[in-house]
Amino acid sequence: AQSVAQPEDQVNVAEGNPLTVKCTYSVSGNPYLFWYVQYPNRGLQFLLKYITGDNLVKGSYGFEAEFNKSQTSFHLKKPSALVSDSALYFCAVRDGTSGTYKYIFGTGTRLKVLA
Amino acid sequence: EAGVVQSPRYKIIEKKQPVAFWCNPISGHNTLYWYLQNLGQGPELLIRYENEEAVDDSQLPKDRFSAERLKGVDSTLKIQPAELGDSAVYLCASRARGVTGELFFGEGSRLTVL
Repeated sequence: AQSVAQPEDQVNVAEGNPLTVKCTYSVSGNPYLFWYVQYPNRGLQFLLKYITGDNLVKGSYGFEAEFNKSQTSFHLKKPSALVSDSALYFCAVRDGTSGTYKYIFGTGTRLKVLA
Repeated sequence: EAGVVQSPRYKIIEKKQPVAFWCNPISGHNTLYWYLQNLGQGPELLIRYENEEAVDDSQLPKDRFSAERLKGVDSTLKIQPAELGDSAVYLCASRARGVTGELFFGEGSRLTVL
């Protein structure tokens, strides 16, 4: 079975500092990994994905994520946080081998960027 | 290109009343998902359609929830009768044909059951 863990309910970071939002996953086959952001009263917005290839994936709004197969992690990062990055972030996984197209989401991490 | 469209955005009903949510996916997206999102939580899958076929409805509470996607395009999710615990956001998402695609979400329909 697939699963995703986001160990931190909330991450606080000062504006201008680097940020990391953690995600670990469990999947039987090849992991397809995704990050989404959700602003208040809005739907989820796609940020980036890892399917195969380079372990460092770049996405929207200056975000990037690093895939680590040995640690089964896919942490979201940004070199310099903005106040406008404050939102709810979700990691998701799909088993790329099974062909079921079932996406499992984590419980979310609230990011607060302090001015 | 228009995104995933959901309606209504907000709905307030009394318990035991019926309610329906509508979703129009991105044009050409053959896979459609309905997710339930409780406050501050991640989305949980209710049902997935491939074209007009419901291929995964194992998490749909079939005693009170039903869904349809008759022509393989737009979809309706219904709750009858609604219970207090159904208060949540109902998200619709779609994806294009192909192996590696991400999901595209609508704005969601927030249900409050009184």
